[in-house]
Amino acid sequence: ELKVEQNPLFLSMQEGKNYTIYCNYSTTSDRLYWYRQDPGKSLESLFVLLSNGAVKQEGRLMASLDTKARLSTLHITAAVHDLSATYFCAVDLGFGNEKLTFGTGTRLTIIP
Amino acid sequence: SAVISQKPSRDICQRGTSLTIQCQVDSQVTMMFWYRQQPGQSLTLIATANQGSEATYESGFVIDKFPISRPNLTFSTLTVSNMSPEDSSIYLCSVLSGTTVGNEQFFGPGTRLTVL
Repeated sequence: ELKVEQNPLFLSMQEGKNYTIYCNYSTTSDRLYWYRQDPGKSLESLFVLLSNGAVKQEGRLMASLDTKARLSTLHITAAVHDLSATYFCAVDLGFGNEKLTFGTGTRLTIIP
Repeated sequence: SAVISQKPSRDICQRGTSLTIQCQVDSQVTMMFWYRQQPGQSLTLIATANQGSEATYESGFVIDKFPISRPNLTFSTLTVSNMSPEDSSIYLCSVLSGTTVGNEQFFGPGTRLTVL
């Protein structure tokens, strides 16, 4: 059974600081996704990582995937208040098995 | 990306009743999924709904409790039957759609259900 773990569960950061969210998964896969969820809202797709060593960047967020270590990271650079949200990683097992297993989520709060 | 709508957006129901949630997509998709998000929790897959076949349920979810219909490639319904307060959750549908980076799942806005 595929298990996906994230840490930390809660993260309170000061504006301007850098931090990293970690996502570990238990079964071989080279397909990992990052989503953002604002309170009371649905999920917004942030990154799609489909190969070992994949790195994607959008604004102050950068995601990477190491399939050998079964680890993905979401790095936040110079945090701003607008990044406050819950971030989820999710993994699927490839073509024909695209159902997603989600991590526990990281609730990020950026404080002035 | 696919544009997905859900109805209702929220509802408050009495225990013992049933609620049917609709999911509409603006393009034809083969795979649709239904997820549950309990308060303060992550998302858990309920079932995969493919057009023309029975839905495939995950462990812990059964058809009698969560019957699903998938009459065509743009529409699906999820019914939450004989509800109890433990069914209070956000229910989200998603679809698998191709993009420039490969297949992705896109999520509907969700249905927030409260059972009294």
